Amino acid sequence: GNSVTQMEGPVTLSEEAFLTINCTYTATGYPSLFWYVQYPGEGLQLLLKATKADDKGSNKGFEATYRKETTSFHLEKGSVQVSDSAVYFCALSDAGGTSYGKLTFGQGTILTVHP
Amino acid sequence: GAGVSQTPSNKVTEKGKYVELRCDPISGHTALYWYRQSLGQGPEFLIYFQGTGAADDSGLPNDRFFAVRPEGSVSTLKIQRTERGDSAVYLCASSPSGQGSPTFGSGTRLTVV
Repeated sequence: GNSVTQMEGPVTLSEEAFLTINCTYTATGYPSLFWYVQYPGEGLQLLLKATKADDKGSNKGFEATYRKETTSFHLEKGSVQVSDSAVYFCALSDAGGTSYGKLTFGQGTILTVHP
Repeated sequence: GAGVSQTPSNKVTEKGKYVELRCDPISGHTALYWYRQSLGQGPEFLIYFQGTGAADDSGLPNDRFFAVRPEGSVSTLKIQRTERGDSAVYLCASSPSGQGSPTFGSGTRLTVV
């Protein structure tokens, strides 16, 4: 079956530091890949996505590239801000499945950014 | 409404009791999803509705869990004979069709004591 593995957290950084959160996946076929973010007290929000190999998703300074050869979708940001403190989830949608919204999530990575 | 609304936001119930959790999707969204998120884990898929019908209920853990969407809008997740292991945040999400990225609600935190 499908699975998503994220790097262990929590991650603690100083403001303006470089961020990488690793994500690898196992899936049959060619899934779509996503990063969701959950800010304190809020619901899950889509941060970015990529639907095919070598696509780069980007939003709010965050980027992730769909790497089929390494089955990875690592999240990066060049300079984090305190407001980026949240829980980040990597997820995939099975392209051969019944619905794009049937997602398999990783366990989440807590990011804390200090001033 | 402007977003996906879930009620109640918190529910505490005794072991063995029956509970209902409600989801109001974004108006016009035909696809609706339920997920369960245990503490420290990512959300796990439970069930997917397209319109009034359950198109995929492969994630429901056992026959104590049931969900309906009788008019293709509001959905109710029903849990019978609750167990302490059912304690989690139950998330609802909707999308314009089965092909769009879903928008999530803030969830209902269920605690079984």
